[in-house]
Amino acid sequence: DTGVSQDPRHKITKRGQNVTFRCDPISEHNRLYWYRQTLGQGPEFLTYFQNEAQLEKSRLLSDRFSAERPKGSFSTLEIQRTEQGDSAMYLCASSLQDEKLFFGSGTQLSVL
Amino acid sequence: RKEVEQDPGPFNVPEGATVAFNCTYSNSASQSFFWYRQDCRKEPKLLMSVYSSGNEDGRFTAQLNRASQYISLLIRDSKLSDSATYLCVVSGDSGYALNFGKGTSLLVTP
Repeated sequence: DTGVSQDPRHKITKRGQNVTFRCDPISEHNRLYWYRQTLGQGPEFLTYFQNEAQLEKSRLLSDRFSAERPKGSFSTLEIQRTEQGDSAMYLCASSLQDEKLFFGSGTQLSVL
Repeated sequence: RKEVEQDPGPFNVPEGATVAFNCTYSNSASQSFFWYRQDCRKEPKLLMSVYSSGNEDGRFTAQLNRASQYISLLIRDSKLSDSATYLCVVSGDSGYALNFGKGTSLLVTP
């Protein structure tokens, strides 16, 4: 499978715990995005990487959220001290220069 | 004001009908425009890019009006398989973030 893969598919955690998600983009794609989506809403932009550089972060993003892409390949998104409002589908996407995004299947986070 | 606004619908149309969706965006500096399709419980997938000159892909036609900051998607001869949520996507200030609308839900019925 040469698409974008995300792990895990589902994560259930208790409020206050830390969680980390992984995204493996399409191998030749240098751009990587993280989005969050809740029911009835469109995907909400979280952050963007070009190769290993994080070039943009949403102004609305809490400092409990951090993302890395250490070697310009896979990326991780960590949420510290999770809150119930963090429950959502976390989507990763990758692209080449043309900005056409290819999404992974997402990680569904439930915070109890 | 939200960066990308869409009528959420739902639009219920019979097979064979023509249906049009509209989207407005707030950032006049936006340079890139797309329509994505999202099936229930699936990830969004690119349907088509939108160009100033308008573009067509089979039964789908997309148009951009920069002066009015308005994007449209026309679907002709609707099929049952067109039932999905259609997301309007516009690039942000930086040119990096792509901002999604809430989506417009389409249900095509037999």
